[in-house]
Amino acid sequence: GAVVSQHPSWVICKSGTSVKIECRSLDFQATTMFWYRQFPKQSLMLMATSNEGSKATYEQGVEKDKFLINHASLTLSTLTVTSAHPEDSSFYICSVRPAGMGTQYFGPGTRLLVL
Amino acid sequence: QQQVKQSPQSLIVQKGGISIINCAYENTAFDYFPWYQQFPGKGPALLIAIRPDVSEKKEGRFTISFNKSAKQFSLHIMDSQPGDSATYFCAAPSGTYKYIFGTGTRLKVLA
Repeated sequence: GAVVSQHPSWVICKSGTSVKIECRSLDFQATTMFWYRQFPKQSLMLMATSNEGSKATYEQGVEKDKFLINHASLTLSTLTVTSAHPEDSSFYICSVRPAGMGTQYFGPGTRLLVL
Repeated sequence: QQQVKQSPQSLIVQKGGISIINCAYENTAFDYFPWYQQFPGKGPALLIAIRPDVSEKKEGRFTISFNKSAKQFSLHIMDSQPGDSATYFCAAPSGTYKYIFGTGTRLKVLA
């Protein structure tokens, strides 16, 4: 399987600030990465598909101006939560689907707490 | 838009027993159908995945059964162990490389 890392694993910030989360594919080049959000005891909700060298594709209901995604290289995608508010507190998880592999591999997740 | 229904919501099994979790999907797509295992505070880990042209796949204690005509697939955990206690998610393909996840099943295996 693929190895995916995320940084940071935990972040606490004040309301109104911006937070950047990194997702790295350590052993595969990933032209496509995915960002999910998971609230406590709930399922994973796809937020957006991150495409290397082009704009991300956002799911319906996800504010693209609030959740900025940059996929500048084949191994790194970043998610920036802009002007974070307490309702943005959640578990953010990225995934990759290496070429030739049947499904997605997830990172360890980033817990965001907005005070 | 793909819809995925997962059951049961929670499951308690005795050690050594068989755990069975079911998923039903709506739209057929030729892509893998995976099951993920998630421990609290961790990202989901791929457990096992099956292609839709295969009816069953077994890896160790874990087996996926796939019924294409009924649009259902299930996860069987044989000889369940306390270490298997986790939340399990099924997923169905929805568009290019995208997946829609089931609501999750919280499994508790009693020692």
